[in-house]
Amino acid sequence: QVQLQESGPGLLKPSQTLSVTCTVSDDSISSGSYYWTWIRQQPGKGLEWIGYIFNSGSTYYNLSLKSLFTISIDTSMNQFSLKLSSVTAADTAVYYCARGGGYCSGGSCYVYYPMDVWGQGTTVTVSS
Amino acid sequence: EIVLTQSPGTLSLSPGERATLSCRASQSVSRNYLAWYQQIPGQAPRLLIYGASSRATGIPDRFSGSGSGTDFTLTISRLEPEDFAVYYCQQYGDSRRFTFGPGTKVDIK
Repeated sequence: QVQLQESGPGLLKPSQTLSVTCTVSDDSISSGSYYWTWIRQQPGKGLEWIGYIFNSGSTYYNLSLKSLFTISIDTSMNQFSLKLSSVTAADTAVYYCARGGGYCSGGSCYVYYPMDVWGQGTTVTVSS
Repeated sequence: EIVLTQSPGTLSLSPGERATLSCRASQSVSRNYLAWYQQIPGQAPRLLIYGASSRATGIPDRFSGSGSGTDFTLTISRLEPEDFAVYYCQQYGDSRRFTFGPGTKVDIK
């Protein structure tokens, strides 16, 4: 059974760069038809989709977040990552990684299954 | 962007009672790609329902989903103590713009 585990900095100061990594265990990140996604949850709030990446490297982001995030994948390390430059207090949240079903073909990517495997989440606090 | 509205915001019920949660979309959800998640405080969300009405692996049959187009419902036939949680709907039909509803909290009356 595939497992996901986030790792992050814990505490950041405003204007620093957020970097969070999700390590995939018990399966290859390159195998199968999946997308790998990031979701965050600000304190006391609901779930906010940030974006996702396919094995091919194709990425899609929540445009409401003004594309400040970057998602990348490292198949050699079986990991995918999230970066956000110049954080503010509003970026304080629990950051979750998750996997869903999808594939890319002919230059386009398609989603057919929602997020069924989630990491436990990593808390990131932005404070001076 | 498809906006999802969930009602009620909070549902206060007793164990053994039936819970009916609503999720309404601002426009039709393509292929009825609507999912429901359960989140217990301090834990990651868990997928309950996909494709509006299909139970995810390992989900008890007291959970059921229904609906199509813009109106969807999650029903818990008889609440167990572990079912008191927050429930989110999510559309993945617009695969470039996943969106979540604001959640419905089911708490103990």
